[in-house]
Amino acid sequence: DSGVTQTPKHLITATGQRVTLRCSPRSGDLSVYWYQQSLDQGLQFLIQYYNGEERAKGNILERFSAQQFPDLHSELNLSSLELGDSALYFCASRGQGPSPLHFGNGTRLTVT
Amino acid sequence: GQQLNQSPQSMFIQEGEDVSMNCTSSSIFNTWLWYKQEPGEGPVLLIALYKAGELTSNGRLTAQFGITRKDSFLNISASIPSDVGIYFCAGRGFGNEKLTFGTGTRLTIIP
Repeated sequence: DSGVTQTPKHLITATGQRVTLRCSPRSGDLSVYWYQQSLDQGLQFLIQYYNGEERAKGNILERFSAQQFPDLHSELNLSSLELGDSALYFCASRGQGPSPLHFGNGTRLTVT
Repeated sequence: GQQLNQSPQSMFIQEGEDVSMNCTSSSIFNTWLWYKQEPGEGPVLLIALYKAGELTSNGRLTAQFGITRKDSFLNISASIPSDVGIYFCAGRGFGNEKLTFGTGTRLTIIP
């Protein structure tokens, strides 16, 4: 158990809809990262937050947004969903300094 | 987005064999990490490397941070059935918060 919790585990929705994915980082970790993994693909970095502020941005679509709350949990909002948005979405957290990312078990999003 | 070159893409080996995989980058990294991912789960950290030339072991796994800072390898000795999965390398550059992942090596053990 990595200590990173993601909900829900599975999400099935229709095109055009909006969903929210939730992540609770490991206790004490201030940084939260979001990654997208499409079928049989590697992990694509979306966005990172540190202590409530956006720190780094990857190839995140304008339809997607995220935030980190004062209690350090984070949410990834995906709107105007398209079939191609179907993927695994992972959240990861890490501590200060040169430390590794610890991943949650992901949310599998299926857009029909 | 940027990705590391990881090879091989897939490996089919027999139980008991040794395994070697590597990653190369066009950029210099100050951190190399190796993860394993099994179906339906998130990547699990295997080994973390923070210094050029560093050689670190975790049980039957050994990884090295290349001296040029542009490559890393992972060896698995005496493979067992539970080693099956996808192995990812990941690297982070100086002053860069983003962790870039390799394309993965899928390990299959032939009975």
